[in-house]
Amino acid sequence: DAKTTQPPSMDCAEGRAANLPCNHSTISGNEYVYWYRQIHSQGPQYIIHGLKNNETNEMASLIITEDRKSSTLILPHATLRDTAVYYCIVTRSTGANSKLTFGKGITLSVRP
Amino acid sequence: EPEVTQTPSHQVTQMGQEVILRCVPISNHLYFYWYRQILGQKVEFLVSFYNNEISEKSEIFDDQFSVERPDGSNFTLKIRSTKLEDSAMYFCASRGGGGKGEQYFGPGTRLTVT
Repeated sequence: DAKTTQPPSMDCAEGRAANLPCNHSTISGNEYVYWYRQIHSQGPQYIIHGLKNNETNEMASLIITEDRKSSTLILPHATLRDTAVYYCIVTRSTGANSKLTFGKGITLSVRP
Repeated sequence: EPEVTQTPSHQVTQMGQEVILRCVPISNHLYFYWYRQILGQKVEFLVSFYNNEISEKSEIFDDQFSVERPDGSNFTLKIRSTKLEDSAMYFCASRGGGGKGEQYFGPGTRLTVT
């Protein structure tokens, strides 16, 4: 699986958009970009994923650059409950061996 | 909304004892996983399971570990003879088929080996 690089931390004000960047310059054509988050010591929570088109769901938006070498997760109106570690993971979507390889992620702190 | 459940939430055991961690994946899912997270460290993949057999395992998953899906609902992780370094949060995850790649995680079992 391609390696990802994320800054270690960022913060944003409650109610503002949080834009979390991720670099994955070695991504291959059949690999997807996944985002998960982990609030305190809870189990990781799936947020969103995409291949090459931008994606949006009820939680977030995912913007993938045209060359697919980087992406940005956008939380449009961050709340205090969005404080968590966010992981950007690149992996093949299908197949039995689609394990997730977690890095250190980016710690997002949402301030009041 | 369906969710992955795990029991117990916390297990304390003595070194050398066997433990079984239990998971109930989402009912129509086909792929099952165990991960662990030692306190303060990254989430690490242990094993994936599909069609009643292990499809991939990490170096951590040595002969002391085994997994089983004894019936249509449970998915278990057994550690035969626990060591102090097995103390960690253990997360079960499941994934549907049909190209759906997202994995859904349970709340975890905190294993403390004394």
